[in-house]
Amino acid sequence: AQKITQTQPGMFVQEKEAVTLDCTYDTSDQSYGLFWYKQPSSGEMIFLIYQGSYDEQNATEGRYSLNFQKARKSANLVISASQLGDSAMYFCAMREHRIIQGAQKLVFGQGTRLTINP
Amino acid sequence: DTEVTQTPKHLVMGMTNKKSLKCEQHMGHRAMYWYKQKAKKPPELMFVYSYEKLSINESVPSRFSPECPNSSLLNLHLHALQPEDSALYLCASSQDRRPQFYGYTFGSGTRLTVV
Repeated sequence: AQKITQTQPGMFVQEKEAVTLDCTYDTSDQSYGLFWYKQPSSGEMIFLIYQGSYDEQNATEGRYSLNFQKARKSANLVISASQLGDSAMYFCAMREHRIIQGAQKLVFGQGTRLTINP
Repeated sequence: DTEVTQTPKHLVMGMTNKKSLKCEQHMGHRAMYWYKQKAKKPPELMFVYSYEKLSINESVPSRFSPECPNSSLLNLHLHALQPEDSALYLCASSQDRRPQFYGYTFGSGTRLTVV
């Protein structure tokens, strides 16, 4: 079974600093996908970034980048120049093997609560 | 604004009540999902519909009954719930192609309190 591990329950960072949120995964599949989601207190899960297992370059989306180290099975999220609005819960997730066409089962890590201090 | 709309946003119901949660998307996604999220925990998958057919039921108690009337709409019917069923219920949809752009799109969720 696939498993996602986030070892940082909480992190506190000063505004404008860069922050790295850790994520390691375990899978026997050759093809998989890794996601990061942000969940503010309002509850909505906001998609941030995606990395495919065959992607040779690390994914980037604006201030978000994913440090993908396949051999180490890690997919850390890097947020550059953090802002107060980045304070939220962050989940790393992995897409399991395809169950049925069009359906992707996501497995989530326990999450990291990030707090940005002014 | 999220492209997956969930109603209601908040719901308080008694243990003998019958209520329904509604989820709607118009992105042409053919897979839709219900997740349950307890406080300070990650979302847990409940049901998956693919092309309007139930493809995954994660051993959810029968007091939760999903329904997918069409490709845009997903309901979750609730009956005789217990206080421990109080949680945030998230709906999501996904598209088969190009997951790097779409992945899952989540709704804002329904915060359910069972009294």
